[in-house]
Amino acid sequence: EVQLVESGGGLVQPGGSLKISCAVSGLPFSNYWMSWVRQAPGKGLEWVANIKQDGSEKFYVESVRGRFIISRDNAKNSIYLQMNSLRAEDTAVYYCSNWGSYAFDLWGQGTMVTVSS
Amino acid sequence: QTVVTQEPSVSVSPGGTVTLTCGFDSGSVSTTSYPSWYQQTPGQPPRTLIFNTNRRPSGVPDRFSGSILENKAALTITGAQADDECHYYCVLYMGDGNWMFGGGTTLTVV
Repeated sequence: EVQLVESGGGLVQPGGSLKISCAVSGLPFSNYWMSWVRQAPGKGLEWVANIKQDGSEKFYVESVRGRFIISRDNAKNSIYLQMNSLRAEDTAVYYCSNWGSYAFDLWGQGTMVTVSS
Repeated sequence: QTVVTQEPSVSVSPGGTVTLTCGFDSGSVSTTSYPSWYQQTPGQPPRTLIFNTNRRPSGVPDRFSGSILENKAALTITGAQADDECHYYCVLYMGDGNWMFGGGTTLTVV
């Protein structure tokens, strides 16, 4: 059974930092691009970032470029999102997904990040 | 900045057929926009329905189909069922490694 399990969400003050993780099992992790997608409360989905199989290419939505860093550890079958200079508008459920054939494939349950004082 | 557009809400009768669309506010969608479609019920993660315009992941019923219609990506649901009532999102490739979701369509089966 394939599982993607996000963790590390929580409450953080504006301007603060947080690192969330996604552990993947049941699929050949190092064969896949991986993604982060977020969803603000009551709002739609927003693509955040993608990372290539070996970590050599990374892409970000403009609103997080320069503040967020996506990374991966293929030995641990995990991806990460380091989020810096957090803003209220970054409050969302963050989902990880494996990426294949130009689309998101399987999804985790998400981890909630709340930016508030 | 180019925006991906979807109908905010659409309704269909049980057993009926409905088509949801996904376009650019300026410009045409083509297969190189690599449209994909996702279904989401409240409180749950999305589920992938269609990728690469018209391909279905294993386990997705064939009453869900994708296409390009009149310069937009389209998701057609045939034989609509009560549990099809939820939110549907599309994603399009914007170039330079960037992807954008549409605002989503709320489908009502009534």
